[in-house]
Amino acid sequence: KQEVTQIPAALSVPEGENLVLNCSFTDSAIYNLQWFRQDPGKGLTSLLLIQSSQREQTSGRLNASLDKSSGRSTLYIAASQPGDSATYLCAVRPSNYGQNFVFGPGTRLSVLP
Amino acid sequence: GAGVSQTPSNKVTEKGKYVELRCDPISGHTALYWYRQSLGQGPEFLIYFQGTGAADDSGLPNDRFFAVRPEGSVSTLKIQRTERGDSAVYLCASSREGNSPLHFGNGTRLTVT
Repeated sequence: KQEVTQIPAALSVPEGENLVLNCSFTDSAIYNLQWFRQDPGKGLTSLLLIQSSQREQTSGRLNASLDKSSGRSTLYIAASQPGDSATYLCAVRPSNYGQNFVFGPGTRLSVLP
Repeated sequence: GAGVSQTPSNKVTEKGKYVELRCDPISGHTALYWYRQSLGQGPEFLIYFQGTGAADDSGLPNDRFFAVRPEGSVSTLKIQRTERGDSAVYLCASSREGNSPLHFGNGTRLTVT
């Protein structure tokens, strides 16, 4: 059974810092991995989707990498801003069973002005 | 509409009552997912539709939970004989096809008193 963990559970940084969020999964048989952002009381907003054949994806100040064989992904946020404060979740889509995405518990990020 | 729409946004019901939660996916999206999220946790998979059929219902916790998507668009999640433990945010997501990014609605917050 696929399990997804995220470290750290919470992170507080001053504005302007570069930061890395980590996601680990137990089974490397995946179709893709997706990073989301969730603001309080809201649904999830898709940030980046990495297919299993890709190593990284970039969007603006965000860069996500995927090392499928070691079961890890990182989300790099450059020059953090207070508006980046939210919970960041990763999810993997297994390729060997089921059709659903398996989510991690999220990392709660606070960027202080 | 432009995004996934869920109604109602909030639902308070008494223990033992029946509730229906509605999801309008993005037009043209064939894949539709229901998830449940408790405070401080990542979304937990319930059921996945591909078109009109439930391709994977392995996440439904018991036979009180049922979901339909009769015309391959709007979906309804139905919960019978609600229990206090059913209280959570119920999230719906859609995607163009299985390997595309997931797009979430804002969820329905269900409170069973």
